[in-house]
Amino acid sequence: QKEVEQDPGPLSVPEGAIVSLNCTYSNSAFQYFMWYRQYSRKGPELLMYTYSSGNKEDGRFTAQVDKSSKYISLFIRDSQPSDSATYLCAIDGAGGTSYGKLTFGQGTILTVHP
Amino acid sequence: NAGVTQTPKFQVLKTGQSMTLQCAQDMNHEYMSWYRQDPGMGLRLIHYSVGAGITDQGEVPNGYNVSRSTTEDFPLRLLSAAPSQTSVYFCASSRDRGPGTEAFFGQGTRLTVV
Repeated sequence: QKEVEQDPGPLSVPEGAIVSLNCTYSNSAFQYFMWYRQYSRKGPELLMYTYSSGNKEDGRFTAQVDKSSKYISLFIRDSQPSDSATYLCAIDGAGGTSYGKLTFGQGTILTVHP
Repeated sequence: NAGVTQTPKFQVLKTGQSMTLQCAQDMNHEYMSWYRQDPGMGLRLIHYSVGAGITDQGEVPNGYNVSRSTTEDFPLRLLSAAPSQTSVYFCASSRDRGPGTEAFFGQGTRLTVV
């Protein structure tokens, strides 16, 4: 079983839709969860970061972590064509010398059409 | 600040050839790492470095060597290229390896081994 699983999609939605992106993970010791956004032929860039359980909101983006079910989500409200990208969930190491070693999901390809 | 700079952007190698992928950062970051990105696999950690003179293996280190003689540079060497090493390679740097620290990625090197 992969440590982090993410549905690769692709996901196509109309402009203005609410988008839900999800990942599951296997190691309950993980505490630091991130979402990276990657535009075509570019490197990933950090979008959101959360620690432990709960929600974090930044503009149209909300990151949610449910540690009891080992489930992390990213919601995009009022999606725009400029949100079209690959979204990667990432989890930092489980502690000590594991920190800094990011484990990524497969990435979900999102297209928002006008 | 240029951030993380990778060269070359594209490369075609023949099986058995060797080459070095260059990575440089100008943010005075201690922690640097190399990932490869393959379709359906997400990004996987190859090697990482917590500072000049200190390197260690990630998830998929076979066939690759690294060294870190300066804080700024972290080259990745392919010793004898194989078709299985066809991939997009990303270099990343972080301020340190503290939990949840943001990783800054370069633009990537697209490598094809024929």
